[in-house]
Amino acid sequence: GAGVSQSPSNKVTEKGKDVELRCDPISGHTALYWYRQSLGQGLEFLIYFQGNSAPDKSGLPSDRFSAERTGGSVSTLTIQRTQQEDSAVYLCASTLAGSYNEQFFGPGTRLTVL
Amino acid sequence: GQNIDQPTEMTATEGAIVQINCTYQTSGFNGLFWYQQHAGEAPTFLSYNVLDGLEEKGRFSSFLSRSKGYSYLLLKELQMKDSASYLCAVRGSNDYKLSFGAGTTVTVRA
Repeated sequence: GAGVSQSPSNKVTEKGKDVELRCDPISGHTALYWYRQSLGQGLEFLIYFQGNSAPDKSGLPSDRFSAERTGGSVSTLTIQRTQQEDSAVYLCASTLAGSYNEQFFGPGTRLTVL
Repeated sequence: GQNIDQPTEMTATEGAIVQINCTYQTSGFNGLFWYQQHAGEAPTFLSYNVLDGLEEKGRFSSFLSRSKGYSYLLLKELQMKDSASYLCAVRGSNDYKLSFGAGTTVTVRA
């Protein structure tokens, strides 16, 4: 497919476990974003990757959150020692670089921490 | 910081018009986006405004006034499939980060 894909679509985990979420951006898109969407809340920016530049990690809520982007394509978001407040939908988006281009979103991963 | 405000919910009748307002206070302005998000699905792009005025795209139009920090999304000839959440997002002083409002849930009734 030509769109952004994410896996898994749903993840249920126990408090204290680590989880890894994956995002495959649209081929050729150099910019990649991770967002978190909690019930009734707006999308919360987490992290931004652009090409080989240092990522903007300013939105990561704690040091339990980290993300990587390997080879300028696939990205993984890792949450260590998950807490119940981490339960949310995690959305990935990609775009061509430039101010005027819209972001294309993946379907998201719904994370539930018990 | 960024502050994006939009109504939480709106209800309208099939065939009618609905206007969703968005006000923003941001450090810098580099464009405003509207996205549509059906329940359980990814947001999809609807419109982009960077200059003042109205952008029309089929049944959907978006308006921007930079001096007032204000935008609206106008949905005409409402259809049942337009029932969704509509997200207002502003690009601030840098050219890549979007700040999103909490979204407006529009319910279209027969």
